Amino acid sequence: AQKITQTQPGMFVQEKEAVTLDCTYDTSDPSYGLFWYKQPSSGEMIFLIYQGSYDQQNATEGRYSLNFQKARKSANLVISASQLGDSAMYFCAMREGPSGTYKYIFGTGTRLKVLA
Amino acid sequence: GAVVSQHPSRVICKSGTSVKIECRSLDFQATTMFWYRQFPKKSLMLMATSNEGSKATYEQGVEKDKFLINHASLTLSTLTVTSAHPEDSSFYICSARWTLSSYNEQFFGPGTRLTVL
Repeated sequence: AQKITQTQPGMFVQEKEAVTLDCTYDTSDPSYGLFWYKQPSSGEMIFLIYQGSYDQQNATEGRYSLNFQKARKSANLVISASQLGDSAMYFCAMREGPSGTYKYIFGTGTRLKVLA
Repeated sequence: GAVVSQHPSRVICKSGTSVKIECRSLDFQATTMFWYRQFPKKSLMLMATSNEGSKATYEQGVEKDKFLINHASLTLSTLTVTSAHPEDSSFYICSARWTLSSYNEQFFGPGTRLTVL
């Protein structure tokens, strides 16, 4: 069974508008972390935002915010005021496992295209 | 801080040869490094977890004899693709775990694109 599910293989958004990228996860571990990474065509993985399972508030980092709904096991990424440079592949990832033996599991990704 | 380098960034080799990819943490010590493989337009697949001074832990389905991992120091892990074949062509990404980071413990290298002819 998929532990991280990203149901949107591709998304389009108009420049300056907001866009939400979906991510749902599955784990029985009470302690876990959720990440979003951006991967431009050059290939490097760029960390965007993190949400811990015990965090009470939704994480925010500049134009990025994470809509964390623990009961629904969803961790959607919201990008506000989209820019052309936001066009890239976006991966949701989950860190799970005992401390010291973490593993990171990635979703299949969403390709975002920002339109001028 | 927390920079991870990979070398080479791109390599083309003939079928049957072995290729070594280096992953270095430049400004921190990493007791744990991870090796991922990514096929075109696909997700990152964890191949193995590399622990300094001990044997790597391979994920199910990953051939240990095919993908040799050596984590000889706190700043260097190497992945050797032995007797490479065209099906080994892929994008290989390493990451290093920095335990002093507040939450983003995993820092990625820029990746190595391997093409086997």
